[in-house]
Amino acid sequence: KAGVTQTPRYLIKTRGQQVTLSCSPISGHRSVSWYQQTPGQGLQFLFEYFSETQRNKGNFPGRFSGRQFSNSRSEMNVSTLELGDSALYLCASTQGGLAGELFFGEGSRLTVL
Amino acid sequence: GESVGLHLPTLSVQEGDNSIINCAYSNSASDYFIWYKQESGKGPQFIIDIRSNMDKRQGQRVTVLLNKTVKHLSLQIAATQPGDSAVYFCAEKNDGQNFVFGPGTRLSVLP
Repeated sequence: KAGVTQTPRYLIKTRGQQVTLSCSPISGHRSVSWYQQTPGQGLQFLFEYFSETQRNKGNFPGRFSGRQFSNSRSEMNVSTLELGDSALYLCASTQGGLAGELFFGEGSRLTVL
Repeated sequence: GESVGLHLPTLSVQEGDNSIINCAYSNSASDYFIWYKQESGKGPQFIIDIRSNMDKRQGQRVTVLLNKTVKHLSLQIAATQPGDSAVYFCAEKNDGQNFVFGPGTRLSVLP
């Protein structure tokens, strides 16, 4: 069974640009969560999608958004990039119950110059 | 929260010794806990989980202990190996909420 796949793995952007990251969950998993990981703040929850609906949201500004498609694939978008958005963005999937482990992808490393 | 990465708490152990990594969780309503291992350049990997109706759970070479009275979780790794070197995170969750991760501990296994 293929794991969680995130693309791209690495990308470099400049301030003010926008970026879209993609996540394909494990087959059969309906819930996708996104986390931002930085040295200063650790793993911070961004949002969770289940059946194309945002079910939970963390404390991030509106520049961070996401969506989920009918095949459970998810994208997150960050607009008007800031230097502080440089981070590893991790996607995790789970079958969809409110308990159960998260299966993480390898992450997308974003560098903002 | 505490820093992760360069400023992580670090535990150094000799190869073959047992390791104990501790975690204080924040929410007394949390009822599900997971330990994750993250190696450099990779996403976190599941190690072991425990629900709040248990106080101990064992896996292969790993044991998780849960003390709800003091909101404390620990991960014990038996006969630590070089491949165990990584950052370890605890995560807590209560029904309907998202997982909240601890700051992480870097485990360094000395030859």
